[in-house]
Amino acid sequence: TQLLEQSPQFLSIQEGENLTVYCNSSSVFSSLQWYRQEPGEGPVLLVTVVTGGEVKKLKRLTFQFGDARKDSSLHITAAQPGDTGLYLCAGAKIIGATNKLIFGTGTLLAVQP
Amino acid sequence: DAEITQSPRHKITETGRQVTLACHQTWNHNNMFWYRQDLGHGLRLIHYSYGVHDTNKGEVSDGYSVSRSNTEDLPLTLESAASSQTSVYFCASSPGIYTGELFFGEGSRLTVL
Repeated sequence: TQLLEQSPQFLSIQEGENLTVYCNSSSVFSSLQWYRQEPGEGPVLLVTVVTGGEVKKLKRLTFQFGDARKDSSLHITAAQPGDTGLYLCAGAKIIGATNKLIFGTGTLLAVQP
Repeated sequence: DAEITQSPRHKITETGRQVTLACHQTWNHNNMFWYRQDLGHGLRLIHYSYGVHDTNKGEVSDGYSVSRSNTEDLPLTLESAASSQTSVYFCASSPGIYTGELFFGEGSRLTVL
């Protein structure tokens, strides 16, 4: 089984702090997605990165895809309590006619007011 | 608005009983997926379907089955529930094989006693 390791597993910070979540693998992916999941709900897609070295910004969130397309990072600037949730990365591999998504182990973020 | 709904949201059953979790989507997506989410394991793929009458095994398919008789529904059946199948189950759909973005339901929490 190909693994996507996320670090840290848990993160508790104060409102206004910055943070970075990492998603690492030894496999190459055709694209990589980030999802956020709130308690009692399903994950919701935040962004998809496709090109090695690509950087995407979504308000205070910055996503980067590694040059070799094996890893990714999510940076949050000036975190707010509304950012609290479980962040999941998912790498996509196209194998024949199928597109396999492999999910990371998740990072649980708590932002204290 | 299009959506994906799961039922029941919570279920408690006994070891050995058959359980069916329903998933219904109004996105008209061809692809549907069932995942289970457990602490420390992230999201693991149980079964998936790329269209009517198509079903495929995921990485943790033992003890589970699915059927796809129409575009909208992909029910998940646990033939003989085991305590190891206590988990939160998520159904998801996506519009195309090469579009890996998933739209998730709100989850079904299953407890097997």
